[in-house]
Amino acid sequence: GAVVSQHPSRVICKSGTSVKIECRSLDFQATTMFWYRQFPKQSLMLMATSNEGSKATYEQGVEKDKFLINHASLTLSTLTVTSAHPEDSSFYICSATSRGTSTDTQYFGPGTRLTVL
Amino acid sequence: QQPVQSPQAVILREGEDAVINCSSSKALYSVHWYRQKHGEAPVFLMILLKGGEQKGHEKISASFNEKKQQSSLYLTASQLSYSGTYFCGLNQGGKLIFGQGTELSVKP
Repeated sequence: GAVVSQHPSRVICKSGTSVKIECRSLDFQATTMFWYRQFPKQSLMLMATSNEGSKATYEQGVEKDKFLINHASLTLSTLTVTSAHPEDSSFYICSATSRGTSTDTQYFGPGTRLTVL
Repeated sequence: QQPVQSPQAVILREGEDAVINCSSSKALYSVHWYRQKHGEAPVFLMILLKGGEQKGHEKISASFNEKKQQSSLYLTASQLSYSGTYFCGLNQGGKLIFGQGTELSVKP
């Protein structure tokens, strides 16, 4: 149980284009979903927290107009990187917490490798 | 506030033991441990919810010292499959803040 999927796994795009990444909880309802960014050899940096049906909460320094998050249902959250630039190239990972559990364990998706040319 | 992990990297021979520490300047309520292989997402190992709690998964166990505001991960009789980067995550207001990671390499 507690499987999270992400799509696509890899994407290469041109500078100035927008890229959408989907995160789905496959076998549970996710109370909350989180989006992280990870640069090579670095830790996971939380970008934003999203709850179904409400606006995402962004961490300090993360541009909400550039990284659009939509949490349309209890099993789906999307991250759209708008007007992507080479410095946005990174590994983007989502995670989800399971509704109805007493712990706050986060289950991670497999990640999306974004390369902006 | 990002937790501090030590050591930053460790190299082991198969069968050796290792300890990874995670400390925080803030009070701890829960500690999460994850392992990440290169190019993959982190995999949940265990969560410790209260002070003094110890948990184990096969030959990997962890302790949580609330007073010292730290947690330690113990890897016993390490296997090649244990190689990866280990992260501790601390719950701060419902979100996890991860340490910088400890890179563990197990050699045959």
